[in-house]
Amino acid sequence: NAGVTQTPKFQVLKTGQSMTLQCAQDMNHNSMYWYRQDPGMGLRLIYYSASEGTTDKGEVPNGYNVSRLNKREFSLRLESAAPSQTSVYFCASRITRGENTEAFFGQGTRLTVV
Amino acid sequence: QQQVKQSPQSLIVQKGGISIINCAYENTAFDYFPWYQQFPGKGPALLIAIRPDVSEKKEGRFTISFNKSAKQFSLHIMDSQPGDSATYFCAASVMSGTASKLTFGTGTRLQVTL
Repeated sequence: NAGVTQTPKFQVLKTGQSMTLQCAQDMNHNSMYWYRQDPGMGLRLIYYSASEGTTDKGEVPNGYNVSRLNKREFSLRLESAAPSQTSVYFCASRITRGENTEAFFGQGTRLTVV
Repeated sequence: QQQVKQSPQSLIVQKGGISIINCAYENTAFDYFPWYQQFPGKGPALLIAIRPDVSEKKEGRFTISFNKSAKQFSLHIMDSQPGDSATYFCAASVMSGTASKLTFGTGTRLQVTL
């Protein structure tokens, strides 16, 4: 049972380059999320998807696009990378069971933009 | 605007001591308050959570205390162990549209010394 899988784990980009971060979950969850984690800032929501075919902006969506390809996969694209996008990116999926709701996170993608 | 404020930023506790991390929120629509634990190089994982109709929840050595009128909640780790050394995030959730979004605090780095 893999849970949430993110690729790649590490990436270095030059300013202006583009790339797509991949995320897949095998838990049949409807909701998926992309967060970025920066020192002293906690985790900030970039985009989320309530279900296949729907996406919505979070707190910090500028400079990013997302695609909910199917129920399993939710990708994050940087069209023109900037040094301010240097961060650790986490994908998560979430399920609600009764009164409890739990988000499951991937291991993260450490991105450096030079 | 930080909707969930967390303190302290870092905390050093001796083995066997009590670790206390505090959070305050502004949005009274929040209806779910989880705590996540993150080890270096890993994604956050759910530790314990509480609903606003309950003032306290205990799971093993971990307790959440919740004060609805003050809009504050805290995590208490009793008998802290070196294995508890990690970063802890409080979070709050509100239903938005068809998805529930998690808003995180800025994190507390806990170090438990021998």
